[in-house]
Amino acid sequence: ETGVTQTPRHLVMGMTNKKSLKCEQHLGHNAMYWYKQSAKKPLELMFVYSLEERVENNSVPSRFSPECPNSSHLFLHLHTLQPEDSALYLCASSQDPGELFFGEGSRLTVL
Amino acid sequence: LAKTTQPISMDSYEGQEVNITCSHNNIATNDYITWYQQFPSQGPRFIIQGYKTKVTNEVASLFIPADRKSSTLSLPRVSLSDTAVYYCLVGFNYGGSQGNLIFGKGTKLSVKP
Repeated sequence: ETGVTQTPRHLVMGMTNKKSLKCEQHLGHNAMYWYKQSAKKPLELMFVYSLEERVENNSVPSRFSPECPNSSHLFLHLHTLQPEDSALYLCASSQDPGELFFGEGSRLTVL
Repeated sequence: LAKTTQPISMDSYEGQEVNITCSHNNIATNDYITWYQQFPSQGPRFIIQGYKTKVTNEVASLFIPADRKSSTLSLPRVSLSDTAVYYCLVGFNYGGSQGNLIFGKGTKLSVKP
C-alpha cells in the first residue's frame, strides 16, 4: 500500500465519547501534519511533527491530543468534543521541506 | 509569513486555458511558490512548485515574474474534471515561516461544458 492512509473515513461520536483518528504514511517521509477543514472554511493547520517530535501546535484546544509513535504513524485522540468540531480531518506527510501528500481524510460528526 | 491573495472564484469552459493569479507581495528570498488542487471531501493534491521564471509539468505551468510578487498558474485546455479549488502557498520550511503549510481560501474554479 502506498501514500497516506487515514482511518476511519467516517466517524460519528457523542460529546462524551473518546475516539482516535489514525494516519499512516508509506512514503518514508520525516514530517507529518494534522489539518482541520470545516465547511466552507480554509484548511487549518493543527499540529506539525518532525522526526516524531511535535514542532508546532497552532492553538488547538486540549480536547485534541496528537500522538506520533514513529515516523510512519500519527494519531489524533479526541475527547469531550463539541458539535462545532465536526469537520474533515486531514493528515499529510512530507519529506520536509517538500510538497505535502494528503490522505483522503476522516469525516467527523459530533452529536 | 508571506500572505497570499487569490480570486475567490473563476468560471471557464471546457477546452479553454485558465490562468489563476496569486499575489504575494511580501515573499521572502528563500520562499518557494506551491500550488495545490482540492476536490470536495478530499485532501489537496500537489500541482506544481516554482521559485522564479517558468516551470512546466504534465499538468500545468507556473509563471513567476522577476519581482516574484505574484505568480500565475496556467491550466491548458481545462475539462470538467478540473473543477476544484486551487490554492497558492508561499514559504520554505515549517521551521521558518510555515508559509508552505498555510492554506488560504483558494480559488474555486468551475468548468462548464
